[in-house]
Amino acid sequence: DGGITQSPKYLFRKEGQNVTLSCEQNLNHDAMYWYRQDPGQGLRLIYYSQIVNDFQKGDIAEGYSVSREKKESFPLTVTSAQKNPTAFYLCASSILAGGLYNELFFGPGTRLTVL
Amino acid sequence: EDKVVQSPLSLVVHEGDTVTLNCSYEVTNFRSLLWYKQEKKAPTFLFMLTSSGIEKKSGRLSSILDKKELFSILNITATQTGDSAIYLCAVGRGGSEKLVFGKGTKLTVNP
Repeated sequence: DGGITQSPKYLFRKEGQNVTLSCEQNLNHDAMYWYRQDPGQGLRLIYYSQIVNDFQKGDIAEGYSVSREKKESFPLTVTSAQKNPTAFYLCASSILAGGLYNELFFGPGTRLTVL
Repeated sequence: EDKVVQSPLSLVVHEGDTVTLNCSYEVTNFRSLLWYKQEKKAPTFLFMLTSSGIEKKSGRLSSILDKKELFSILNITATQTGDSAIYLCAVGRGGSEKLVFGKGTKLTVNP
């Protein structure tokens, strides 16, 4: 079955630690995205990538980093510089870069809690 | 600044009721408006609208876009408890790879 997988499902982190959230897709999609969801805030874009070895900052990129070494994979690192990292993180992909004419397909999400 | 505003933010109804969810937007170079349903985890795609006045329909759900007045509505008729979810509206812009999301409407359908 094609789809997007995210791991882990739940993640607990101590303050000052970096953590990496995994996102893998086997849909052969060009573009991949990371969103953050907080209660009452909707989805906010962290980073996106249209092609391998290239990515752009979204609206709230500070304290986060990404890589796109393979088409299928787009891991997100939450660094200690992110002051309020507790949130639900969603990875998404789309057939054509931009999702303007094709919908975003979302993974199941990772819930990160900072202790 | 581009923005997407959804209303109401939350709504509680009884099974069988009809609901209308609203999404208004102010974005430069509008290209498309998308509706998603989010139950527990991943949002799932419902509709994409690009042309004004053309209704998209899927079962009990329907949506229409008004590009003149800059809004869209999502209608759900004969609601069921399985319709309980957060409904997200997002707008795509020409020349940009980013979708702008609203804050969502949380719908609760009670038996």
